[in-house]
Amino acid sequence: GQSLEQPSEVTAVEGAIVQINCTYQTSGFYGLSWYQQHDGGAPTFLSYNALDGLEETGRFSSFLSRSDSYGYLLLQELQMKDSASYFCAVRPVGTYKYIFGTGTRLKVLA
Amino acid sequence: KAGVTQTPRYLIKTRGQQVTLSCSPISGHRSVSWYQQTPGQGLQFLFEYFSETQRNKGNFPGRFSGRQFSNSRSEMNVSTLELGDSALYLCASSLEGGASYEQYFGPGTRLTVT
Repeated sequence: GQSLEQPSEVTAVEGAIVQINCTYQTSGFYGLSWYQQHDGGAPTFLSYNALDGLEETGRFSSFLSRSDSYGYLLLQELQMKDSASYFCAVRPVGTYKYIFGTGTRLKVLA
Repeated sequence: KAGVTQTPRYLIKTRGQQVTLSCSPISGHRSVSWYQQTPGQGLQFLFEYFSETQRNKGNFPGRFSGRQFSNSRSEMNVSTLELGDSALYLCASSLEGGASYEQYFGPGTRLTVT
C-alpha cells in the first residue's frame, strides 16, 4: 500500500524553529508537496520538492530524501498565525491522484 | 482571478437520500480533483477529472460518482447516503493535473448526514 506518516501534533513557541516530518511507503512518486490548512479553511500549497534536497521559500523550507523515504517541512521564526495543520502529499507515478499524509497539527505558543 | 468555488457550503441530509455537490475551478484550470476530509481518515482522494474524463478514482464505493462539464466545472454525487459520509468535501483545481503539482483548493462543502 501507499501511506505517508506524520506526527499528529507538534507544539513550539513563537520565534522558534520546528520541523514536521513525513515518512512514506510508496513505490514511486513525482515529488513531495506540502499544504497548510487553518481550522475551518481550505488547504493551501506551501512547497514542492521534485528532487532530493532542500527547497526554501521565505520562512518555510522543505526537504526530500528518496533514499531514506523521508521528507520534512521546516518552519523558522514561528508566528502565531502558523498554528494550523500541515499535510505532505505525493502523486504516485502513472496516476493523477494525490495521497495525503495523516497531517500534523502545529500549535504555536506565545 | 477568482478562486475555486464550491456550492453549497453546508448541507444536511438524511440517510438514504442523495446529494450533488458543485465545484467551479479557477479560470483556465482543466483538472479538478475531489477529496473527502474527516477527522479520522484525513484527506482521502475521490476522483480526478481532466477535459471531461475521469482519469483516476479513489477507493470509494460506487455510490460516489462525479462528472466534469466542458467548461471544467465539476459535480460529485453521493447516492444512498450513510452516516459515515458526513465529512468536508473539498475540490481542488490545477492547470493540467499532471505537470502542475500545485493544487488550489476550494472552501469545501460540509455535509452532515443524520
